[in-house]
Amino acid sequence: EVQLVQSGAEVKKPGESLKISCKGSGYTFTNYWIGWVRQMPGKGLEWMGIIHPGDSETRYSPSFQGQVTISADKSISTAYLQWSSLKASDTAMYYCARHRTTSSWNPPYYWGQGTLVTVSS
Amino acid sequence: EIVLTQSPGTLSLSPGERATLSCRASQTVSSTYLAWYQQKPGQAPRLLIYGASSRATGIPDRFSGSGSGTDFTLTISRLEPEDFAVYYCQQYVSSPQTFGQGTKLEIK
Repeated sequence: EVQLVQSGAEVKKPGESLKISCKGSGYTFTNYWIGWVRQMPGKGLEWMGIIHPGDSETRYSPSFQGQVTISADKSISTAYLQWSSLKASDTAMYYCARHRTTSSWNPPYYWGQGTLVTVSS
Repeated sequence: EIVLTQSPGTLSLSPGERATLSCRASQTVSSTYLAWYQQKPGQAPRLLIYGASSRATGIPDRFSGSGSGTDFTLTISRLEPEDFAVYYCQQYVSSPQTFGQGTKLEIK
């Protein structure tokens, strides 16, 4: 059974750094693209970017390029989303999701449970 | 960047009725690269339709997708109580892979 298990909720202050994780199981982690999606409170879904864990090829949305870093550690089947300096506007639910097939030109199919990030002074 | 505009913003219907949700793209999207998701409160999105018209595994056949070019439609033939949720379309033909802003399907 394919599963994506995300790290727990975080409460941080503006300016702090953060790295959240998404651990994949039940499939060959290095073969499938994993993406990150933001959902701000009461708002819609925003595609942030994707990574291929096999070779770490990464593609970012221009809206998030330079604001976050997407990475993966294939030795532990885990993808990451990190910030170097959080802002209050980063408060949101963040989902990781694995693509339906091994192609990047495929929709996210398996989703993590989400990680709620709250940034407040 | 391809912008997807969904309409209506909110759709109020009763169980048993037919729902028609629209997704319009700012430029042509090959039908191979258009998906629909359902999201219920407190849950992650669930893939319903990919390739504009192919149902994902386990999705009931009352859900169907159609369209081509810049206009796509999600149809729910007979609404069940569990279908009331927010629906999003997504294009994955080009990066960034954008989502529409969503249509809320509520009980009338």
